[in-house]
Amino acid sequence: EPEVTQTPSHQVTQMGQEVILRCVPISNHLYFYWYRQILGQKVEFLVSFYNNEISEKSEIFDDQFSVERPDGSNFTLKIRSTKLEDSAMYFCASTPESSYNEQFFGPGTRLTVL
Amino acid sequence: DAKTTQPPSMDCAEGRAANLPCNHSTISGNEYVYWYRQIHSQGPQYIIHGLKNNETNEMASLIITEDRKSSTLILPHATLRDTAVYYCIVRVVDYQLIWGAGTKLIIKP
Repeated sequence: EPEVTQTPSHQVTQMGQEVILRCVPISNHLYFYWYRQILGQKVEFLVSFYNNEISEKSEIFDDQFSVERPDGSNFTLKIRSTKLEDSAMYFCASTPESSYNEQFFGPGTRLTVL
Repeated sequence: DAKTTQPPSMDCAEGRAANLPCNHSTISGNEYVYWYRQIHSQGPQYIIHGLKNNETNEMASLIITEDRKSSTLILPHATLRDTAVYYCIVRVVDYQLIWGAGTKLIIKP
């Protein structure tokens, strides 16, 4: 069964450094999402992406964040200058042609900012 | 903020039906009810969704009250692998999923 994959599974970085989290959505999906979950807290929406542009973003998704679909398969989340409070699990998700369908989530990337 | 209210935790015996309630008294006519679960910090997993009719799939059943102000997710024969946090989410099509704290369901042998 096709699945969303994310790399790396764990990323450790120094405060102020840039990180890029990578996701490979399911191949025929058209809608893509990033969420984060700080340890012990609820899942928080960051951004949704469709037709090569951001369709919705939350207040968390400020100028330090950006997303890109550089080719036909990868979907990336970049954090320009990481802060301690960016430490969290980051989940990528994708959805087929209709955005109200179920979202398929990847296993997540644990980001630790030191 | 999440528009749903769920009990923080529930227990259920293995093999029995697990009934997870959700209150969404301010739901709008164009909002769907979604259920997801998260097993121990893994990526969330979709379970089921509905608008106003009851729904059933291979994982669960969703019962929505006639006034749509509450719903119940039913796992008909719970197993130990169903231990997870279950999230009830209301959502307008094309808009974000807003997650609450969910219900931690513990299945006991």
